[in-house]
Amino acid sequence: QVQVVQSGAEVKKPGASVKVSCKASGYTFTSYAVHWVRQAPGQSLEWMGWINGDNGNTKYSQKFQGRVTLTSDTSASTAYMELSSLRSEDTAVYYCARAPLVEIYGIDVWGQGTTVTVSS
Amino acid sequence: DIQLTQSPSFLSASVGDRVTITCRASQGIGSYLAWYQQKPGRAPKLLIYAASTLPSGVPLRFSGSGSGTEFTLTISSLQPEDYATYYCQQLTNYPVTFGGGTKVEIK
Repeated sequence: QVQVVQSGAEVKKPGASVKVSCKASGYTFTSYAVHWVRQAPGQSLEWMGWINGDNGNTKYSQKFQGRVTLTSDTSASTAYMELSSLRSEDTAVYYCARAPLVEIYGIDVWGQGTTVTVSS
Repeated sequence: DIQLTQSPSFLSASVGDRVTITCRASQGIGSYLAWYQQKPGRAPKLLIYAASTLPSGVPLRFSGSGSGTEFTLTISSLQPEDYATYYCQQLTNYPVTFGGGTKVEIK
């Protein structure tokens, strides 16, 4: 079945970087985009960016510009999100999710989430 | 950035009630609006896209309407499994943005 499976929980110190993976299966990776969305405890959803699975083009939220890097390995049907210069406010659940390349269709398949805890 | 304001932020309703949640956009977004349901400890689930289209498998008691700046999500007959938080999302402009959420409690 169609699914995206994320890597496991991470605990990082302030100033460090974290890289989360997102492996897709059950569909053609290059026919969709992968979005990254995070959710701090008790908060709403916050969009971080998007990578086109076909050509690798990316769009980032300006809030994270310069700190987040989205990449993909089409041979492995896997997308990656790296967030650098971590601070305590980055403690959140990070989701990757599949979306059709035409935005109006929404984000239709979500990963299980990866908890990232930033603490000294 | 386009701001999405949901109301109410919290509601309590009985099984069988009709429930309506509103999402207002700070500028026109056409029909580029999606709704998601999120249960505690779980990832969001797509309920509606293009303002009013249900993906396959979503119960027909859910419906969406609106265009431009005002949108609604309606649950025609609330069921116990509908306890969740509901979010709207706009996809017309980057950055993609979400509403603040509406938590639905079953009375």
